[in-house]
Amino acid sequence: HLQQSGPGLVKPSQTLSLTCAISGDSVSTQSAAWNWIRQSPSRGLEWLGRTYYRSKWYNDYAVSVKSRVTITPDTSKNQVSLHLTFMTPEDTAVYYCVREPDYYAAFDYWGPGTLVTVSS
Amino acid sequence: ESVLTQSPGILSLSPGERATLSCRASQSVNNNYLAWYQQKPGQVPRLLIYGASTRASGIPDRFSGSGSGTDFTLTISRLEPEDFAVYYCQQYHDSRTFGQGTKVEIK
Repeated sequence: HLQQSGPGLVKPSQTLSLTCAISGDSVSTQSAAWNWIRQSPSRGLEWLGRTYYRSKWYNDYAVSVKSRVTITPDTSKNQVSLHLTFMTPEDTAVYYCVREPDYYAAFDYWGPGTLVTVSS
Repeated sequence: ESVLTQSPGILSLSPGERATLSCRASQSVNNNYLAWYQQKPGQVPRLLIYGASTRASGIPDRFSGSGSGTDFTLTISRLEPEDFAVYYCQQYHDSRTFGQGTKVEIK
């Protein structure tokens, strides 16, 4: 189960911070990665990045947002967070937290999504 | 990053008919690292196929995937009423990218 939390409205130039609380699995599992994906009518489904643990923590980010995105795990709370800086109206989208298990290497479990609107 | 182009954009078919959806990659997708998802209005995407041709857990066998290199196909052998939805392909060989989707609508 993935429970997402965070604001639904962000002002231009501000930073978006979303959190995904994981239950029934561990953010530190060595057999899955934890991703953030967004979806909008104009951009479709867009992968933003992921974090995963393989004896140490790793991150991968999409080229389109690499300079603005940070995905961090919190092992004490078993959750993963997304931070996206310098938000613009083009970043308006539904943001999903998504699991990517090694045995699929595809996205098998999606959080419910958070609609984020960027507007002043 | 590999760009995925899906065709057609909209497929109008009747229940019981066969649906054939195409996904073409701008670069070869090595190891057949390609997946297909189904999304219905108001729902999150659902994984159907991974590794180009392997059905995910619980997916009916009327769904099948095929292809390699740059050309991939999702086939629904006989459309059920619940299959009318938008379908996306996604590659995980070079970063992760999605196609723009094919809408399967009732004719």
